Amino acid sequence: QVQLQESGPGLVKPSGTLSLTCAVSGGSISSSNWWSWVRQPPGKGLEWIGEIYHSGSTNYNPSLKSRVTISVDKSKNQFSLNLNSVTAADTAVYYCARGRHTAVAGSASIWFHPWGQGTLVTVSS
Amino acid sequence: QSVLTQPPSMSAAPGQKVTISCSGSTSNIGNNYVSWYQQLPGTAPKLLIYDNIQRPSGIPDRFSGSKSGTSATLGITGLQTGDEAHYYCVTWDFSLSAVVFGGGTNLTVL
Repeated sequence: QVQLQESGPGLVKPSGTLSLTCAVSGGSISSSNWWSWVRQPPGKGLEWIGEIYHSGSTNYNPSLKSRVTISVDKSKNQFSLNLNSVTAADTAVYYCARGRHTAVAGSASIWFHPWGQGTLVTVSS
Repeated sequence: QSVLTQPPSMSAAPGQKVTISCSGSTSNIGNNYVSWYQQLPGTAPKLLIYDNIQRPSGIPDRFSGSKSGTSATLGITGLQTGDEAHYYCVTWDFSLSAVVFGGGTNLTVL
């Protein structure tokens, strides 16, 4: 079964760049799935950051689009998140997840399974 | 402010039934499928329902989903203390061209 594991620095300075990697095991990143990043500020709800397909196609949350880059490394079976110009508001637990997208009669179906365990990133000097 | 509206909190007694609502619009729930997630304290979200009504393998039939118009509902019967968690609805929004989450519902079983 597919498993995901996030990794990266737990502390980033303000105005710096947050960089995380999600390693995929038990399956190929080149399968017919989208690979997503979701974050959760402490004590708050979930926020979708964006996603990537193995071809390199991406979709981003419009509210973060100007600062986000998601990339894929098929040779390492992993994908990555870069978020630049970070502030304290970007402090959150960051999750990676496998996304399933289908379209039925013009209606979009999207769901996420499985998820990584999450990693806390704190933005502070 | 979330695009999808959920009640912030709900409570019910063990053994009882609860329904958690998720209200949206024609640009999201009204024309797309909804999935639901359970997040136990300190853990990652877990898929409970997809395509409005489908349960992944391993999810007990105490959990059910439905959709009508621009609203979706998660039902939980035979409540257990282990069901205490936050629950989130998710769908695609055509206008935003983005995945949207509900604000989450904190369920207490007491």
